[in-house]
Amino acid sequence: DVKVTQSSRYLVKRTGEKVFLECVQDMDHENMFWYRQDPGLGLRLIYFSYDVKMKEKGDIPEGYSVSREKKERFSLILESASTNQTSMYLCASRKRLAGRETQYFGPGTRLLVL
Amino acid sequence: AQSVTQPDIHITVSEGASLELRCNYSYGATPYLFWYVQSPGQGLQLLLKYFSGDTLVQGIKGFEAEFKRSQSSFNLRKPSVHWSDAAEYFCAVGAADSWGKFQFGAGTQVVVTP
Repeated sequence: DVKVTQSSRYLVKRTGEKVFLECVQDMDHENMFWYRQDPGLGLRLIYFSYDVKMKEKGDIPEGYSVSREKKERFSLILESASTNQTSMYLCASRKRLAGRETQYFGPGTRLLVL
Repeated sequence: AQSVTQPDIHITVSEGASLELRCNYSYGATPYLFWYVQSPGQGLQLLLKYFSGDTLVQGIKGFEAEFKRSQSSFNLRKPSVHWSDAAEYFCAVGAADSWGKFQFGAGTQVVVTP
């Protein structure tokens, strides 16, 4: 069965802290994605990765960075958390060269920055 | 560039009544279209997808969707809703390339009343 896991379901951090959100998939997928979800805005792509150590900016990369040292793990980093980064963060993965394939989603991490 | 519009932010429907959620897309080529459902506090679950062929596609949980190229629409329907269908629904259009980036609509929140 397909599985994407995220390290935390809920996280509370203070302004200025460095925050790591971890995502792990067990499907040997090449492509992995980080989204943030906000009411009325749907899901917006922050970054994606198509291979180990490869990354591309999505639509809203400002204030975020990512790391992909291993194929199964994709980390989202908030270098200095701010209150406007309070959101739900969703990770997804997908096999490359599978144009008709869906993305598989993790359960999400709800981050509150105080 | 791809874009997706879900015109209805919020829909209230009585249990047992029919449900239709609207989705309009903009895409330069034949789109890959998806509907996802998100229950409270959960990640996204795929309901159904369309790539080509029969324009009426069946999904899980009794949902179906119809692709209408002339209207650039991919509306989701269910003949008789259950209380468990209360959730947020997202329409997405996918790019037919190896990266497989998706563009999501803003979502429609469905409330089911007794």
